[in-house]
Amino acid sequence: AQTVTQSQPEMSVQEAETVTLSCTYDTSENNYYLFWYKQPPSRQMILVIRQEAYKQQNATENRFSVNFQKAAKSFSLKISDSQLGDTAMYFCAFMKPRTGNQFYFGTGTSLTVIP
Amino acid sequence: ETGVTQSPTHLIKTRGQQVTLRCSSQSGHNTVSWYQQALGQGPQFIFQYYREEENGRGNFPPRFSGLQFPNYSSELNVNALELDDSALYLCASSPEGGSTYEQYFGPGTRLTVT
Repeated sequence: AQTVTQSQPEMSVQEAETVTLSCTYDTSENNYYLFWYKQPPSRQMILVIRQEAYKQQNATENRFSVNFQKAAKSFSLKISDSQLGDTAMYFCAFMKPRTGNQFYFGTGTSLTVIP
Repeated sequence: ETGVTQSPTHLIKTRGQQVTLRCSSQSGHNTVSWYQQALGQGPQFIFQYYREEENGRGNFPPRFSGLQFPNYSSELNVNALELDDSALYLCASSPEGGSTYEQYFGPGTRLTVT
């Protein structure tokens, strides 16, 4: 079974600063996908960034980037130049293709950006 | 292009009752997944439907069932409600011919069982 662990239940960061959210996962698979989703207080989950396990290059989307360490099974999210709108729950998720596309989510990290 | 919508927004039921939650997929999406998100937890996969057929199921009992209709809208039915079924229920749709990991989430239905 796949498990996803987020060891930081809550974090805070000053506006304009950089913050890193941690995620580790456990799998015996070689081909899979990893994601970070954002869930603002309005509840609608939004995809922040995704990473294919076969790609060595770390994914980047504007202010969001990941540090993907496949051997260590680590997938952290770095948010640069934090903005007030980044305040949300952040979920790390794992997906193994062709298994009903089942997503495994971590328990989330609540991020607060302080003005 | 409309997004994923869910109804109702909130619902209160009594233990032992049955409930039906509804999801309207984003236009052009033929795959829908349902998740249960308990308070303070991450979403847990219930099942997925692809072109009206169940295409995968998580570790949920048979009293959780679903349907997908020809227009790709979907229902989640829960029978014999238990207190632990209180949660936010999310549906997510994926596009026709697109990468299977492109899931677009709805706002959720908050179910409270008393």
